Amino acid sequence: QSVMTQPPSASGTPGQRVTISCAGSNSNIGSNAVNWYQQLPGTAPKLLIYSENQRPSGVPDRFSGSKSGTSASLAISGLQSEDEADYYCAAWDDSLNGVVFGGGTKLTVL
Amino acid sequence: QVQLQESGPGLVKPSETLSLTCTVSGGSISSSSYYWGWIRQPPGKGLEWIGNVYYSGSTTYNPSLQSRVSLSVNPSKSQFSLKLTSVTAADTAVYFCARRVDLRQQKAFDLWGQGTLVRVSS
Repeated sequence: QSVMTQPPSASGTPGQRVTISCAGSNSNIGSNAVNWYQQLPGTAPKLLIYSENQRPSGVPDRFSGSKSGTSASLAISGLQSEDEADYYCAAWDDSLNGVVFGGGTKLTVL
Repeated sequence: QVQLQESGPGLVKPSETLSLTCTVSGGSISSSSYYWGWIRQPPGKGLEWIGNVYYSGSTTYNPSLQSRVSLSVNPSKSQFSLKLTSVTAADTAVYFCARRVDLRQQKAFDLWGQGTLVRVSS
């Protein structure tokens, strides 16, 4: 069982806006930066969002992140078929003194 | 550009030691801005952080694996390595090496290797 909780699945149709939540605690999301990773089928994870809402170079601005208290969210607007992937939140956990990942959310584009 | 590549046996027997190496090319492993990490993913499951190693050799480990894991770094070869002892079938996974940026404004795994599948089976 993951320290941070994500819904196992999410879905949307092309062009829609979808959000994926990540619930943590004071020792991780509540006190440290949240990152989001996208894992396309059969590939390595890719950094999508860092420090709650920052996009690495090359990531479309359709992807955005936010944080409030001990929860974080990833939003994808203008959903496209190529966005179909697994999405993971992650943060440093002060209690565990290590990195923790959410359980992952499988996004399906209908 | 910087690339990471995992290497090592794809099959390990139960109770033996899993050993993997990650080679960093196109950049320095000795930069003070980075840690070097290992993350694994059992088939069909989520990501699990194993640990990080700094170029100086200092390490942090996942408490759930700490008694069995050891990370090391060889700056002269631009490599860092993972050893996991007393493996069982539960250690079957794709193992990824990754670069962790450690700056005030960014602390994240920003670069990943392609991953290597390690099966534990007799």
